Amino acid sequence: DVKVTQSSRYLVKRTGEKVFLECVQDMDHENMFWYRQDPGLGLRLIYFSYDVKMKEKGDIPEGYSVSREKKERFSLILESASTNQTSMYLCASSPLLGQGSDQPQHFGDGTRLSIL
Amino acid sequence: AQSVTQLDSQVPVFEEAPVELRCNYSSSVSVYLFWYVQYPNQGLQLLLKYLSGSTLVKGINGFEAEFNKSQTSFHLRKPSVHISDTAEYFCAVSGANNLFFGTGTRLTVIP
Repeated sequence: DVKVTQSSRYLVKRTGEKVFLECVQDMDHENMFWYRQDPGLGLRLIYFSYDVKMKEKGDIPEGYSVSREKKERFSLILESASTNQTSMYLCASSPLLGQGSDQPQHFGDGTRLSIL
Repeated sequence: AQSVTQLDSQVPVFEEAPVELRCNYSSSVSVYLFWYVQYPNQGLQLLLKYLSGSTLVKGINGFEAEFNKSQTSFHLRKPSVHISDTAEYFCAVSGANNLFFGTGTRLTVIP
């Protein structure tokens, strides 16, 4: 079974702090994704990566950055946390890239982040 | 561009009754479609997927979905729900490199 592990289930930080959310997958997947989930808005893509050191902006990248130094690890960085970044953050991975990828994404359990 | 519309944000249903969760999509290219389930305090788990072939797709936990190209729909059904089916359900359509998700439907099964 694919395992996607997010380092924290719950996290509380203060405004202005630099925040790191870590995600590790154990199936050698090329693609990794970061989403945020908010009530009534579903999942919105922040960033994704299809290879080491490669990244692409998703729908809502403002205020975030990412790092992928190793294939199995994809980090989401909040450069200066703000209260409107309080949310559930979900990491996912999938094995294929291409037009109309037919591979489902595998998700971690999420990190519920509160910015005070 | 791809997009997904889940028409119902909340669906209450009595235990052992049938349920249908509606999903409509738009896409300018051939699509792959997915249904995911999210139980409380967990990530998303794949229920089923449509890639090609038979338009009726069976998934885990007794769920099935029917792909209807003319109506651009991919509705999820279960003939008899259990309390344990209480969760949030997301429909998704594939893009070039990622998935586009609907806003989710919260299914509540009433004893």
